[in-house]
Amino acid sequence: DAGVTQSPTHLIKTRGQQVTLRCSPKSGHDTVSWYQQALGQGPQFIFQYYEEEERQRGNFPDRFSGHQFPNYSSELNVNALLLGDSALYLCASSFQGGQPQHFGDGTRLSIL
Amino acid sequence: AQRVTQPEKLLSVFKGAPVELKCNYSYSGSPELFWYVQYSRQRLQLLLRHISRESIKGFTADLNKGETSFHLKKPFAQEEDSAMYYCALSALSGAGSYQLTFGKGTKLSVIP
Repeated sequence: DAGVTQSPTHLIKTRGQQVTLRCSPKSGHDTVSWYQQALGQGPQFIFQYYEEEERQRGNFPDRFSGHQFPNYSSELNVNALLLGDSALYLCASSFQGGQPQHFGDGTRLSIL
Repeated sequence: AQRVTQPEKLLSVFKGAPVELKCNYSYSGSPELFWYVQYSRQRLQLLLRHISRESIKGFTADLNKGETSFHLKKPFAQEEDSAMYYCALSALSGAGSYQLTFGKGTKLSVIP
């Protein structure tokens, strides 16, 4: 079992661009949560997807959106990138939104 | 809203000395608390959760609802314990799912 997998590993974008990050959950999990981890900070909850719908959302602007596919994989989209969006983006999966959550290695997003 | 506070950014101890990583939380409901650990070049992983009341790698943590604390303890530190430690709180949302709120983390450095 590969666990939670995320792609790409690293990404460099410029301000104003759009980005899509991808996540495949651990086998047997059906819920995907996304977190943003800025340098020196703990992970901050962005949103959670279950049954292909956004179930819960943290304090992030509408520029952050997502999607979940029938195979439970998920995408995180960020539009109109700002310098402050530079961070490590973590994906975590669980069964039916419960605990514990299992994390991926993350995608390091750098905005120039 | 829930909040998790880890007052120490960095904690250095000598090998064989006791370790205590502090965590305080604020939450109006009944919380579920976790400790996650991130070793160098590895993904974030669950260390322990308060409901299981077990000891993992010699670490224990007791939930003190009176003091709203969930400190992580180990009687004798080992070099392999050097890592980043995050305290996290799981709260049930109105949508019926669980959201993790993390502290900013404490970097534990065990000196040989």
